[in-house]
Amino acid sequence: EAGVVQSPRYKIIEKKQPVAFWCNPISGHNTLYWYRQNLGQGPELLIRYENEEAVDDSQLPKDRFSAERLKGVDSTLKIQPAELGDSAVYLCASSLDRQGRTEAFFGQGTRLTVV
Amino acid sequence: DAKTTQPNSMESNEEEPVHLPCNHSTISGTDYIHWYRQLPSQGPEYVIHGLTSNVNNRMASLAIAEDRKSSTLILHRATLRDAAVYYCILRGSAGGTSYGKLTFGQGTILTVHP
Repeated sequence: EAGVVQSPRYKIIEKKQPVAFWCNPISGHNTLYWYRQNLGQGPELLIRYENEEAVDDSQLPKDRFSAERLKGVDSTLKIQPAELGDSAVYLCASSLDRQGRTEAFFGQGTRLTVV
Repeated sequence: DAKTTQPNSMESNEEEPVHLPCNHSTISGTDYIHWYRQLPSQGPEYVIHGLTSNVNNRMASLAIAEDRKSSTLILHRATLRDAAVYYCILRGSAGGTSYGKLTFGQGTILTVHP
């Protein structure tokens, strides 16, 4: 079975341009996470979905970032407009549910460079 | 959220055992202890998790203190491919403050010498 699939793997854009990242979680997984990881740091949660509902988006910079998870399956994270400080790796993860006993699976991430 | 504390870095020699410690003194009764690792240029990878009893799988063993305030990830024979950042995370069940969350700290950078 395929794992968590993210695309694109790499993206280079100029500042003030929009960018979108796509995530396809493992089939049947209800919980989906988006993280941002800066160089040398641990991943930081941006938003968590339970099915199609965003249940934890307190760390999402809502002035420029948006996310959606239509039908509770695939998810898209968008930045508009991008700033230099948005350069980072964006990770998507999914888990069967939000219970402590279930593990999460991560995609390879999208490395964003804003120039 | 309940916090975890790990050493910034550790070193090991190839084929020797490695014990990676994690302190979580504010753990609640419903928190599971999870370990993930992240190889260079990869997304984090699940390693192991447990609640109260010690756990073994093909990758590692997890030893949990009796009071659950600390745990140790054990790699029985380190290989060069085990060089990674290892994260200890508390993941809560229903009713706990960590319910649904998967919060990463800085982790421990493991260096394995040939």
